[in-house]
Amino acid sequence: DAKTTQPPSMDCAEGRAANLPCNHSTISGNEYVYWYRQIHSQGPQYIIHGLKNNETNEMASLIITEDRKSSTLILPHATLRDTAVYYCIVRVGSGAGSYQLTFGKGTKLSVIP
Amino acid sequence: GAVVSQHPSRVICKSGTSVKIECRSLDFQATTMFWYRQFPKQSLMLMATSNEGSKATYEQGVEKDKFLINHASLTLSTLTVTSAHPEDSSFYICSASRGGSGGTEAFFGQGTRLTVV
Repeated sequence: DAKTTQPPSMDCAEGRAANLPCNHSTISGNEYVYWYRQIHSQGPQYIIHGLKNNETNEMASLIITEDRKSSTLILPHATLRDTAVYYCIVRVGSGAGSYQLTFGKGTKLSVIP
Repeated sequence: GAVVSQHPSRVICKSGTSVKIECRSLDFQATTMFWYRQFPKQSLMLMATSNEGSKATYEQGVEKDKFLINHASLTLSTLTVTSAHPEDSSFYICSASRGGSGGTEAFFGQGTRLTVV
């Protein structure tokens, strides 16, 4: 799986949008971009994933650049409960082995009142 | 969404004893499950891949005789930490996915905090 680079930490004011960047310059054509988050002492939680197009769900939006070398996860209105470590992971999408995930260090997002 | 459940969520055991952790997929069948370990202030590290009906595949550096994995059904995988020592104290997390192709998310259990005293 391609390697990702994320800033180690970010702060965001409560109620504002949180924009979390991720670089994945070695991503290959069949690799998806996945985002997970881990709230302290819990298992990771799936947020969103995409291949080429921008994606949006009830939790977040994912913006992928045209060359697919970077992406941004957007939490439109951050709340205190969004404080967590956010992991950007790229992996091949299909097949049982593809569900194995390689976690980097992620970005620790702190939402400030 | 799919639910993966781990049990127990927290366990304290004496050094030299064995501990079993269960991982269940509650509303789907999982032919493959994964076990991760997370030490304080570190990221998750894959320990092994649990395959239903066959032997688990272990990552380099993970002792297969110490971390016994059994995946006897499509909804249950167990991890047994044998002869536990204080250095085995960690947060153990399992994951599972539904079958199918392309872009399917993995679901994680809530994790098991193991403390060996």
